[in-house]
Amino acid sequence: GENVEQHPSTLSVQEGDSAVIKCTYSDSASNYFPWYKQELGKRPQLIIDIRSNVGEKKDQRIAVTLNKTAKHFSLHITETQPEDSAVYFCAANPNTGNQFYFGTGTSLTVIP
Amino acid sequence: KAGVTQTPRYLIKTRGQQVTLSCSPISGHRSVSWYQQTPGQGLQFLFEYFSETQRNKGNFPGRFSGRQFSNSRSEMNVSTLELGDSALYLCASSLDGPSSYEQYFGPGTRLTVT
Repeated sequence: GENVEQHPSTLSVQEGDSAVIKCTYSDSASNYFPWYKQELGKRPQLIIDIRSNVGEKKDQRIAVTLNKTAKHFSLHITETQPEDSAVYFCAANPNTGNQFYFGTGTSLTVIP
Repeated sequence: KAGVTQTPRYLIKTRGQQVTLSCSPISGHRSVSWYQQTPGQGLQFLFEYFSETQRNKGNFPGRFSGRQFSNSRSEMNVSTLELGDSALYLCASSLDGPSSYEQYFGPGTRLTVT
């Protein structure tokens, strides 16, 4: 089955700096890659996603890049703010219905 | 639209008992997936139901089962509870189709097994 690895597990940045989280996947059939943000005690919320026919997608301060050849994708957050502090999960869908494989999460702390 | 709802939100059970958790998807969503979230293992896929049929299944023992009703509501059952089953159980709903993979999570049910 699919295996998703995520790095780093923890990340601290100064407010205003950029944060980058990286994920790799193993199944070349995977074609959809969402990112979720989970604040303490809350449900995971979809913040951005990318499909395999696209190399990059942006939404305001958030961007995701995908390299299908290398089987990795990354989340970029620019101009970080304290409210960006949360755990971020990447996931991959190997095109077998709605079965997602998640990375182990990155705890991001933005220091004011 | 109302979001995904789960009941109960918290549950305490004793080892050996069984438990049933419920999930109501967003109106119009026909796919419901279940995940187990633990600090050590992260989010692990349990199973997915679509049109009352289990479409995908993760690597969990047969003690974990589920079903989906005609109104797309879903339940999961865990029998013979073990201490290691203590976790946050999340369900997620989704439309289905090639452009509708977005999953929306419920608030979860926090299960504690003592």
